Amino acid sequence: NAGVTQTPKFQVLKTGQSMTLQCAQDMNHEYMSWYRQDPGMGLRLIHYSVGAGITDQGEVPNGYNVSRSTTEDFPLRLLSAAPSQTSVYFCASSYSNVIGYGYTFGSGTRLTVV
Amino acid sequence: QQQVKQSPQSLIVQKGGIPIINCAYENTAFDYFPWYQQFPGKGPALLIAIRPDVSEKKEGRFTISFNKSAKQFSLHIMDSQPGDSATYFCAASYYSGGYQKVTFGTGTKLQVIP
Repeated sequence: NAGVTQTPKFQVLKTGQSMTLQCAQDMNHEYMSWYRQDPGMGLRLIHYSVGAGITDQGEVPNGYNVSRSTTEDFPLRLLSAAPSQTSVYFCASSYSNVIGYGYTFGSGTRLTVV
Repeated sequence: QQQVKQSPQSLIVQKGGIPIINCAYENTAFDYFPWYQQFPGKGPALLIAIRPDVSEKKEGRFTISFNKSAKQFSLHIMDSQPGDSATYFCAASYYSGGYQKVTFGTGTKLQVIP
């Protein structure tokens, strides 16, 4: 029972590079989301998906793309990395249609953009 | 207003003390209030949650108190232990458009000293 798996755990990018953060869950959750965590800012929603083929923007979507081709996977793409994207990124999943069901988070990806 | 305001930002208590973390919200549509616990280098994990139809919920040493009229809720940790040292996030969610919409507080870093 793996839960939510994120890779890589750590990454250093140069400004302007692109990369994809991977997220996979094995709980058949319809809802998946990406958050970034910065000191004093809490968890801010980047993008989310309520099912395969359906994605939408969150609070801080600029500079990020997502797609959801399967229920299990929800990758986050950084198009052209900027130092402002240095952060810890968390993927989370949940049942969409169950009231009172919390999120399961991955262990995070610590990204540094130099 | 979707904000959830959390205080304090950090908290230091001695072993055996009762740290209290407070959260306040504005949106009366919120109907689920979870707390998450995050250890360094890990993702947040669901700790305890409450629905607005009850005023208190206990799970082990963790208690949520909920005041619907004041739109406030708090987490109390009884007989705190050094192993409780972590960052705690409150959250509030409501169900709309087929999925939960969640707002997180900014987090409280708790240190329990022996």
